[in-house]
Amino acid sequence: DAKTTQPTSMDCAEGRAANLPCNHSTISGNEYVYWYRQIHSQGPQYIIHGLKNNETNEMASLIITEDRKSSTLILPHATLRDTAVYYCIVRAERGTYKYIFGTGTRLKVLA
Amino acid sequence: DAGVTQSPTHLIKTRGQQVTLRCSPKSGHDTVSWYQQALGQGPQFIFQYYEEEERQRGNFPDRFSGHQFPNYSSELNVNALLLGDSALYLCASSFLVGVTQYFGPGTRLTVL
Repeated sequence: DAKTTQPTSMDCAEGRAANLPCNHSTISGNEYVYWYRQIHSQGPQYIIHGLKNNETNEMASLIITEDRKSSTLILPHATLRDTAVYYCIVRAERGTYKYIFGTGTRLKVLA
Repeated sequence: DAGVTQSPTHLIKTRGQQVTLRCSPKSGHDTVSWYQQALGQGPQFIFQYYEEEERQRGNFPDRFSGHQFPNYSSELNVNALLLGDSALYLCASSFLVGVTQYFGPGTRLTVL
């Protein structure tokens, strides 16, 4: 069973920030939250991951709530090339790399 | 530094046939995982290989089998193909003590 819940789709204007939410209310203390995106049936591309603290890299920022039950991926200045399906994933079991993917959020960036 | 590579890119088979898909992990990675992605769905975990052994397996029948070689590359074999096996097959690699998997471009399998 998927352990994350995401909206099915979202639109964002080009140049604006895209905020993609994810609910992971059953997350346990040592589980990381990962974000990947998949552009038109290519392989999923790693974006960012985090455990407790907010994280930022060259692609995005990840905001995790204090209770860790939800998180938000922020693309600060969305471009048309950011149009993709975005997956929020919780690593299923400690010490393994089994990812459980949900259906993701289809983000469409509008010109 | 080459990323994860997969071959072939596309493949067409008929029902009942057998297929072998190949994956070369990212340099420095020793763990390979395979996923199946049906159209419109998220990827589903098939199994994971480390040190040439299957370490974890998802909810897939025994028709799906794999192998990992001493150079860490891996094969996915599917026997007695069904129409429902048509999907994008993704390989992901990682270093066991790390936290991030990196995916290849996938192999698109069509079963007629």
